[in-house]
Amino acid sequence: GENVEQHPSTLSVQEGDSAVIKCTYSDSASNYFPWYKQELGKRPQLIIDIRSNVGEKKDQRIAVTLNKTAKHFSLHITETQPEDSAVYFCAATRGNNRLAFGKGNQVVVIP
Amino acid sequence: SQTIHQWPATLVQPVGSPLSLECTVEGTSNPNLYWYRQAAGRGLQLLFYSVGIGQISSEVPQNLSASRPQDRQFILSSKKLLLSDSGFYLCACWSYNEQFFGPGTRLTVL
Repeated sequence: GENVEQHPSTLSVQEGDSAVIKCTYSDSASNYFPWYKQELGKRPQLIIDIRSNVGEKKDQRIAVTLNKTAKHFSLHITETQPEDSAVYFCAATRGNNRLAFGKGNQVVVIP
Repeated sequence: SQTIHQWPATLVQPVGSPLSLECTVEGTSNPNLYWYRQAAGRGLQLLFYSVGIGQISSEVPQNLSASRPQDRQFILSSKKLLLSDSGFYLCACWSYNEQFFGPGTRLTVL
């Protein structure tokens, strides 16, 4: 089945700097790759996603890139702000509209 | 857009007691529905998913069960809770090619 690996487990950045989180997946049939942000005590919120027919997608300060050949995708956050501090989960489809999730990255933005 | 309701929001139960968590969805029809559990500080574990009324698939063997009595209703149950059942239970819905999570139920088993 699909296996999603997420690195690093914790990332600390200075406010205003960029943050990059990388995920790798194993199933070449995966065609949808969402990213979720989870603040403490709250539900995961979908922040951006990408489908296998495109290589990059951007929404204001966040972007996602996909390399299907290498089977990895990354989340890029520019001009980080304290409210970007959260746990970020990547995921990949694994059939029957199920998602395989990575273990999550704790991002800490230092003011 | 769809809305997912879950209740209760928090629950404290003794070991060995029964459990019933309910999830309802608005704004979509015939969605795929999911139950996830998240232990404290951990990732998201898929417990059950359903593609339609009465259709339940289990991801992991455990003392939990799920039912889908109506198109937009998904219920998670247990006859006897274990300490290890503590966690944050999230219902999710796949609709319009995206998956969204409900607000969750925080369960503490003592």
